[in-house]
Amino acid sequence: QVTLRESGPALVKPTQTLTLTCAFSGFSLTTSGMCVSWIRQPPGKALEWLARIDWDDDKYYNTSLQTRLTISKDTSKNQVVLTMTNMDPVDTATYFCARSRNCGSSRYYFDSWGQGTLVAVSS
Amino acid sequence: SYVLTQPPSVSVAPGNTARIPCGGDNIENKGVHWYQQRPGQAPVLVIFYDSDRPSGIPERFSGSNSGNTATLIITSVEAGDEADYYCQVWISSTDHVVFGGGTKLTVL
Repeated sequence: QVTLRESGPALVKPTQTLTLTCAFSGFSLTTSGMCVSWIRQPPGKALEWLARIDWDDDKYYNTSLQTRLTISKDTSKNQVVLTMTNMDPVDTATYFCARSRNCGSSRYYFDSWGQGTLVAVSS
Repeated sequence: SYVLTQPPSVSVAPGNTARIPCGGDNIENKGVHWYQQRPGQAPVLVIFYDSDRPSGIPERFSGSNSGNTATLIITSVEAGDEADYYCQVWISSTDHVVFGGGTKLTVL
């Protein structure tokens, strides 16, 4: 059974750096084609893809946010970490991590999601 | 950048068929994936690669993709289908993912 669980602070102040952890089980991020992505959703708004890390450690970022994002993985701990610098109130959102098995192809879709973690940015 | 366009809302009576469009330039050349999101929950994949259905998803859910429009089709709509639905594609030139703006399905 594949599970993913996000964790991190519920509240950050403007200009601070957000660090989120996705702990997963039921699959290995060393398997060819596998990847974990971060996706966010501001309250009442649409989903927005943020970043992805592949089984071979390739990384991809949303173009509009790439200067603020860093994604990394610890395969020994089955964790993926996302950092976002210079947080702003517009970054208030629920942040999801999700698994894909055919990354970098037209079959790149998210078949398992975490429950999400709500992050508010406020002073 | 590639844009996926969805209507903000679609309404349907119980037992009828709901069709939720997702518009994009030559979208027929891309694999389109669909997610259902109920309030307060994470999205759930309901259709992948235009028309394939994950295990556990009812046969009432299907998809099509032609020209500039992909469509999620839900037959015999039930009250429990009321949710937000998002389409998603992968952009090969940038290796990025794009989501549509979402459609709220209301069961009358």
